[in-house]
Amino acid sequence: NAGVTQTPKFRILKIGQSMTLQCTQDMNHNYMYWYRQDPGMGLKLIYYSVGAGITDKGEVPNGYNVSRSTTEDFPLRLELAAPSQTSVYFCASSYPLGLSTDTQYFGPGTRLTVL
Amino acid sequence: KQEVTQIPAALSVPEGENLVLNCSFTDSAIYNLQWFRQDPGKGLTSLLLIQSSQREQTSGRLNASLDKSSGRSTLYIAASQPGDSATYLCAAIFGNEKLTFGTGTRLTIIP
Repeated sequence: NAGVTQTPKFRILKIGQSMTLQCTQDMNHNYMYWYRQDPGMGLKLIYYSVGAGITDKGEVPNGYNVSRSTTEDFPLRLELAAPSQTSVYFCASSYPLGLSTDTQYFGPGTRLTVL
Repeated sequence: KQEVTQIPAALSVPEGENLVLNCSFTDSAIYNLQWFRQDPGKGLTSLLLIQSSQREQTSGRLNASLDKSSGRSTLYIAASQPGDSATYLCAAIFGNEKLTFGTGTRLTIIP
């Protein structure tokens, strides 16, 4: 049981390049999330998904796209990288929150630098 | 707007002391509140989760409390150890079933 895995761990992009951050979970969670964390800040929600084929915007979706074709995978796409997207990106998964006693499980993060 | 705030941003404490980390939130219609630990360069690990119907949760040397009426939660760490050094984040779930995170408190335990 690997939990939530993310690849790559580190990446440097040039302005205007594109890339996909991969996220996979093996806990059969319906809900998956992408966050970004800037230095000294908390996590901000980029996109989330409540199940395969369903995605929705979070607090800071501009410049990103997601897809959810399977329960296990939730890739995050950056189409035209900008310096403002330099950050650490975390993927997480969970059962439905709200009244649940369960929590979100986080991947180790991807550190992205855009130069 | 639903917000979660953590003050101070950083805290240093001598080893062995008890300490309290603070978290405040703006909306009393909270489903639950969670405390996470983040080590440098790592992801987040859940420490404690308090449901809205509860007032506190305990795990080992950690005790988290929740006071919805005042919009506050505290994380109490007893007999601090150097291994407790990390950033601690609180996060609340309000009506939209998404976590809203505070900015964290970076804790350093001085040997």
